[in-house]
Amino acid sequence: DIVMTQTPLSLSVAPGQPASISCKSSQSLLNSDGETSLYWYLQRPGQPPQLLIYEVSNRFSGVPDRFSGSGSGTYFTLKISRVEAEDVGVFYCMQRKQQYSFGQGTKLEI
Amino acid sequence: EGQLVESGGGFVKPGGSLRLSCAASGIAFSNSWMTWVRQAPGKGLEWVGRIKSKIDGGTTDYAAPVKGRFAISRDDSKTMLYLQMNSLKIEDTGVYYCTTDDWEYGLDVWGQGTTVTVSS
Repeated sequence: DIVMTQTPLSLSVAPGQPASISCKSSQSLLNSDGETSLYWYLQRPGQPPQLLIYEVSNRFSGVPDRFSGSGSGTYFTLKISRVEAEDVGVFYCMQRKQQYSFGQGTKLEI
Repeated sequence: EGQLVESGGGFVKPGGSLRLSCAASGIAFSNSWMTWVRQAPGKGLEWVGRIKSKIDGGTTDYAAPVKGRFAISRDDSKTMLYLQMNSLKIEDTGVYYCTTDDWEYGLDVWGQGTTVTVSS
């Protein structure tokens, strides 16, 4: 099984300031086709998760450009250039190379 | 825009059974792989299982904690996804989400979820 480990588990950021979340996988997520199966989701309070980033660094439709993803192999990062009030919630990374597994979640507070 | 609506959640005693449904609209359902994800109260997300489209074989895959107890099926004529849950345990309690499973985007469309409570 591939284990996903996120750090930190919580962070408090002032509006307009940057934020960064790390995600480490226990195995490389690089596929034979050259793509990497790493995704980022945000779950706002009381809501289902929503897709932010697919395949490491691609913003999903409608996702603001203040969100960016990077990384390779086993180490990945989600960055928010300027945190806004609507970003409050829990962020999850997910791998889909070998079945599916999520990180523990990172709770963002303003 | 795609929409998924889950139903069928409720209270059940340990050892009991429940069938969840997920109604899909606005998506090419018959070509879509579909996934169930659950979330225990106050906890993180846990993948439950996936079913491929019939054109890709229609096969299923399950997480270890539910394998042999849960079964995913689909009715493309009704654009419906199902999760049959048997031999339920207290630790199966949570919100169950159905999602589309796109080859590129991953789990891109999510329902609002339905709540399952297993308690004596």
